[in-house]
Order: sequence, then structure tokens, then C-alpha cells
Amino acid sequence: SQQGEEDPQALSIQEGENATMNCSYKTSINNLQWYRQNSGRGLVHLILIRSNEREKHSGRLRVTLDTSKKSSSLLITASRAADTASYFCATPQGGSEKLVFGKGMKLTVNP
Amino acid sequence: EADIYQTPRYLVIGTGKKITLECSQTMGHDKMYWYQQDPGMELHLIHYSYGVNSTEKGDLSSESTVSRIRTEHFPLTLESARPSHTSQYLCASSDYPGGETQYFGPGTRLLVL
Repeated sequence: SQQGEEDPQALSIQEGENATMNCSYKTSINNLQWYRQNSGRGLVHLILIRSNEREKHSGRLRVTLDTSKKSSSLLITASRAADTASYFCATPQGGSEKLVFGKGMKLTVNP
Repeated sequence: EADIYQTPRYLVIGTGKKITLECSQTMGHDKMYWYQQDPGMELHLIHYSYGVNSTEKGDLSSESTVSRIRTEHFPLTLESARPSHTSQYLCASSDYPGGETQYFGPGTRLLVL
């Protein structure tokens, strides 16, 4: 069953602009993860934020988590053409070792 | 990039053929997963394993089967391929508890004619 859902489903921006993606989920979680998938490739783990964290940074990435609203956002600052990819949020399924992925959001960064 | 490999990367095959998709990881991870993903769509878990001789079906029903005889190897087999099996198959592994970071292979794109 789908847990996370990204919003918007597609975003097109110019190089240098910031890109913000949102993820909403349904049940309580102990962590939320963001992954990137380049066209035709596997997923690459970007960042994990735990339920007791509100914000986390990694390079040009900034992730926030609001457990009261069951939502997370991923901000990519100063975007580059190489950031063009699909981005997925993922949460553990019911405390298990399995992850549930959202439908993904396609980001296009135009040079 | 994680040390997890999938072969073949692309496979075009006729209906009724038996196929095996290979997945290997050199990280010594106990947990391994197979996902099915149609183009531009979400991932669906079809099989997982928490260690040698442990395999479970995932959330999406699949006619494929898996085995886990060695820690590093988690092959997926389709006894009789059908056009409905056309999809991308992604293998992943993890050594973290509680549903944390997974490392993905590059995927196998399967086309069944």
C-alpha cells in the first residue's frame, strides 16, 4: 500500500533556481528517506531524516520533517541540469524492514 | 555508487521462455529486495529476503520466484515469461535495521514479446 505521495508530480525549472518537493504520508514513522532516480537507472539514497529531527542538510539538499502534519519537504538549492531526475520519498512499512515508496516526482532542470 | 550488480541490463525475450535475473552485492548485506517498476511509476516490492534461506513475497503479487542460497546472491526467476511481465526490475540490499537505507542496483529492463 502506498505510504508517501510526492507533490508536485512534475516540476520544470531553470538552472540556478531552487526546487522544492513535498511528501505526505499516512501512518507514524521512525524515519523518512529521499531517493533520486536517473532515467532508466536504479535509485540512489540521498538523505534520511529521523522522526525526532526537524531539519537536515546534505550539501545542496535540505530536508524538513513535520510529524504533526505527516509531511516532509526536499529542497534542492542552486539546481543544476544534472539534478534532472525523479525523486521519491520512502518510509518504513509498519515498523518492518520494508520500505514503501511514493509515486515519485519528475524534476527537469533546464540549462 | 553501491556495490550491487544486476545482469542483464536489458533483456528481450519471447513468451513462454524461462528467465533468471541476477542480482549480486559485495557488501555482505543480509537484507535483499526485488522491486518491479513500470516507466514513470512507483516501485512495488515483489520479494525480499532477510538472510540465507529466507525469502518472502512482497506486497505486489508476482509469478516470479527467488532464492537466497548465498548472502551475496539473490536471483529472480520467471518460469514462463509473458508480455504482462514487461517492466523494470530493481534489486536492492540493506544492512540497516528498521527500514533504513537501501542500496539499489542499476535495474534490468525486461521486454517480453
